[in-house]
Amino acid sequence: EAGVAQSPRYKIIEKRQSVAFWCNPISGHATLYWYQQILGQGPKLLIQFQNNGVVDDSQLPKDRFSAERLKGVDSTLKIQPAKLEDSAVYLCASSLVQEGGYTFGSGTRLTVV
Amino acid sequence: GNSVTQMEGPVTLSEEAFLTINCTYTATGYPSLFWYVQYPGEGLQLLLKATKADDKGSNKGFEATYRKETTSFHLEKGSVQVSDSAVYFCALSHNAGNMLTFGGGTRLMVKP
Repeated sequence: EAGVAQSPRYKIIEKRQSVAFWCNPISGHATLYWYQQILGQGPKLLIQFQNNGVVDDSQLPKDRFSAERLKGVDSTLKIQPAKLEDSAVYLCASSLVQEGGYTFGSGTRLTVV
Repeated sequence: GNSVTQMEGPVTLSEEAFLTINCTYTATGYPSLFWYVQYPGEGLQLLLKATKADDKGSNKGFEATYRKETTSFHLEKGSVQVSDSAVYFCALSHNAGNMLTFGGGTRLMVKP
């Protein structure tokens, strides 16, 4: 079974620029999550999708972050404009149903300079 | 709200030593508890889980017991190997939405 694919692996941008991350979940997994992992901390949920609908985006900074999951498969997470404090690893995960176990991707490491 | 507290690292051990990484949680109701492991350059992998009080999760020689009376889920291994060097995260989730709340992580370094 193929895992959760994320791209790019690394991204360096200047503050106030925009950036987008892409995630392809495991085939058939209905639930998709984006987590932010700041260096030295545990991951924090940004947004959760069930198929193409948002289940929880209460911790997503909506003034600069946006996410979509078109057709209930792939997802993109965008930051515009980026701030220095957005430097982190952005993890995507998927699960078969809402109560299922997670599979995480390898993440995208973002550095904002 | 929900929270998870882990012992701070790094934890440095010699090969074949006994490992304990403490984890305590604060949550309403009866959450499920997890340990995830993150090897260098890789994503998070589920190591073990327990879904109700007194359950013991185990995998690859690691084990942890869900203790509701002490709100703890300590990770243990009898004899660590160099290949166990990684960052370990304790986490909890409730049934509603299955969102995971993570602790800060504990880095384990095992020396030969």
